[in-house]
Amino acid sequence: ETGVTQTPRHLVMGMTNKKSLKCEQHLGHNAMYWYKQSAKKPLELMFVYNFKEQTENNSVPSRFSPECPNSSHLFLHLHTLQPEDSALYLCASSQDRGGANVLTFGAGSRLTVL
Amino acid sequence: GQQVMQIPQYQHVQEGEDFTTYCNSSTTLSNIQWYKQRPGGHPVFLIQLVKSGEVKKQKRLTFQFGEAKKNSSLHITATQTTDVGTYFCAGGGYNKLIFGAGTRLAVHP
Repeated sequence: ETGVTQTPRHLVMGMTNKKSLKCEQHLGHNAMYWYKQSAKKPLELMFVYNFKEQTENNSVPSRFSPECPNSSHLFLHLHTLQPEDSALYLCASSQDRGGANVLTFGAGSRLTVL
Repeated sequence: GQQVMQIPQYQHVQEGEDFTTYCNSSTTLSNIQWYKQRPGGHPVFLIQLVKSGEVKKQKRLTFQFGEAKKNSSLHITATQTTDVGTYFCAGGGYNKLIFGAGTRLAVHP
């Protein structure tokens, strides 16, 4: 258990489905992140939240919609995804936002879009 | 923008051989972090280097941060099958942590 819990661990969805990924951290961290990891590309930062406010959106398509109701929870809402969106989605947290902070990653949610 | 390049992309070694991965940044870094991702797993933090020229060791792993704080290396002595995985460096800037593409290490017994 890393202190960052992601559910579900595996998800298969059709292109017309709507689903959500959930992340919860028990570390008392203030910053939370969504990363995408696919076989063909390195870790891609998608969204950053600091004190539940979004501070970064790296040109992510609108079919991905993040939500951060508080500093401990982070969601990624998915709708009308494409097969190329199939990837491992990693949630991470750090004490604060900033380049000197160490990230703690969750185990990831493996998404397959049919 | 800031970029962090990591080489090699892949490395195959025989068990007992040494292994080194290198990380280079286009800009001066405030710190460098190293993470390991086992096959089927998630990145796990290994170490953070902050000072120019810093060297840290963790058993068979030696981490170095360059004098100019723009490059770093991870050296594993006498690799074991448990070292298999992808090693990522991450360069810290003012408000960003930029990951390298990672070096995938395969160890043949």
